[in-house]
Amino acid sequence: GQNIDQPTEMTATEGAIVQINCTYQTSGFNGLFWYQQHAGEAPTFLSYNVLDGLEEKGRFSSFLSRSKGYSYLLLKELQMKDSASYLCAVRDPDSNYQLIWGAGTKLIIKP
Amino acid sequence: KAGVTQTPRYLIKTRGQQVTLSCSPISGHRSVSWYQQTPGQGLQFLFEYFSETQRNKGNFPGRFSGRQFSNSRSEMNVSTLELGDSALYLCASSLYGEETQYFGPGTRLLVL
Repeated sequence: GQNIDQPTEMTATEGAIVQINCTYQTSGFNGLFWYQQHAGEAPTFLSYNVLDGLEEKGRFSSFLSRSKGYSYLLLKELQMKDSASYLCAVRDPDSNYQLIWGAGTKLIIKP
Repeated sequence: KAGVTQTPRYLIKTRGQQVTLSCSPISGHRSVSWYQQTPGQGLQFLFEYFSETQRNKGNFPGRFSGRQFSNSRSEMNVSTLELGDSALYLCASSLYGEETQYFGPGTRLLVL
């Protein structure tokens, strides 16, 4: 089977840094995605990690450790507009590589 | 380039009825996936189509079905609606061979 865990909710302060963790258990690995979803809107693509290590893209960075089944999304210089849900997803080899999604982490930014 | 469009945006139905949702992918995208999103459950994969063929199917009952047309537009149908089918239904398109999926705004279905 497959399982993806993310914290349900996190709170951070404007201008600060926050790390959102994601752990997964699948029989194999074929890439991990992070998406951002504002309330009432469609998810939008943030990052795709296949290899171990940190990938930086502006204020957002994503880290992957395949041996630990672990990823995190790092958001720097937080802005109020970063208040959203952050979704982690991996492909599941046991289900013909369909995308399996975590329940998402709701990030609340306070001034 | 226009994004993924879904119609209708909102829908209210009663138990036992059936519903058809439509998705138009980004121009040039031939792969379309459908997801159900409910609070606390995350996105649940329904099915994926490519070139009018269903390539993958999630763990949903047979009441959920879909199809894709030659212009890559896709529809999904839910028959004999149940209260638990109330959800946001999202469609996503991608270029064949590329991982990134682009989501539409979704159709919010309420079953009374």
